[in-house]
Amino acid sequence: EIVLTQSPGTLSLSPGERASLSCRASQSVTSSYLAWYRQKPGQAPRLLISGASNRATGIPDRFSGSGSGTDFTLTISTLEPEDFAVYYCQQYGSSPATFGQGTKVEIK
Amino acid sequence: EVQLVESGGVVVQPGGSLRLSCAASGFTFDNFAMHWVRQAPGKGLEWVSLITRDGSITYYADSVKGRFTISRDNSRNSLFLQMNSLRAEDTAFYYCAKTRGTYYLDYFDYWGQGTLVTVSS
Repeated sequence: EIVLTQSPGTLSLSPGERASLSCRASQSVTSSYLAWYRQKPGQAPRLLISGASNRATGIPDRFSGSGSGTDFTLTISTLEPEDFAVYYCQQYGSSPATFGQGTKVEIK
Repeated sequence: EVQLVESGGVVVQPGGSLRLSCAASGFTFDNFAMHWVRQAPGKGLEWVSLITRDGSITYYADSVKGRFTISRDNSRNSLFLQMNSLRAEDTAFYYCAKTRGTYYLDYFDYWGQGTLVTVSS
């Protein structure tokens, strides 16, 4: 199975700053089938990005995804209060679908 | 509006059994594969199991294979997870999740709110 490694484990930033989250795969992700989710405390994950770079319905354009092969990045251009949460990447190109261990974005 | 509502999570003793349910609404249930994903308290997400649209194909994570059984009732728009021989490490929030497309290997566009299973004596 494909192992996804997210870095950093925790990102300490202030509102208004830019966040860059990394997701590295142990082998190439088929057709860039890579998704990103945000999980706020006490809530279920919510889809942000699919296909490495396609924003889901209703997701603001401060969120962007990039990358291919084994290296992917989620960028949040300007952090809003609701963006302080945990972010997970998921590959769905190879069975079983796997998740990264998560990156926590916390208020500095 | 798509809704997924899990139920059935309780405290159960090691070695016990439990059946989780997920009631779906707001979409054509039998057009989509469905999954269970779990999350131990304070930990990350772990995929558990999937079932294809018609229920003919199922897959399991190695950690639950032989102990858990996924099923669905398309006439009732419901998804189930039968959990046997439960262990302490099965303690987690269990989420049902809908795939975006008709293929079983896909990202999840909707998640339920989760139901907590606690395995403890």
